[in-house]
Amino acid sequence: DAGVIQSPRHEVTEMGQEVTLRCKPISGHDYLFWYRQTMMRGLELLIYFNNNVPIDDSGMPEDRFSAKMPNASFSTLKIQPSEPRDSAVYFCASSLDVYQPQHFGDGTRLSIL
Amino acid sequence: AQKVTQAQTEISVVEKEDVTLDCVYETRDTTYYLFWYKQPPSGELVFLIRRNSFDEQNEISGRYSWNFQKSTSSFNFTITASQVVDSAVYFCALSEGLSLNNNAGNMLTFGGGTRLMVKP
Repeated sequence: DAGVIQSPRHEVTEMGQEVTLRCKPISGHDYLFWYRQTMMRGLELLIYFNNNVPIDDSGMPEDRFSAKMPNASFSTLKIQPSEPRDSAVYFCASSLDVYQPQHFGDGTRLSIL
Repeated sequence: AQKVTQAQTEISVVEKEDVTLDCVYETRDTTYYLFWYKQPPSGELVFLIRRNSFDEQNEISGRYSWNFQKSTSSFNFTITASQVVDSAVYFCALSEGLSLNNNAGNMLTFGGGTRLMVKP
């Protein structure tokens, strides 16, 4: 089975631009998570979904961040407008249920100039 | 509140040495899961092990072993006869508030990670 697939792997853009990160979870997994990794703050959970419904978005830093899951096989994390401090590696993960481990994608390395 | 502490930010060993990575956690829940993930230089996060709060039996998988002690709230990870390929950042994580009857739970809180460097 394919793992969690994220795109793009790398994104470099200028501040003020809209950025969209994409994720395809493992087929059959009911939970999807978005994390951000920075040197200063480590790995932080931004938002997670259960059966396509957002459950907890308390980790989303600002209104500039939004996430959607229109169907079971696709999710997006959008930043608009982007700022240099948004530069980080963004990971998507999925799990079968609350007891199963989360499996991570390879991440998107985002650089905002 | 939950918290995971990995006090060792960086460890350097020579190949074939044994090394133990420490993880201490805090939780008020009686039901929780503990995890270890590996992040090699290529950047991906690789799941290594999951342990639930009711199972204190230690686990061994090849050169890897894990020691879970509820009395000290620790879940330490030992690599025996380390190899250069073990060089990575290792994260300990905690998940609590678990229930299949609601949508909550399954949120991972990660420790700060321990960077392990294995030199030839």
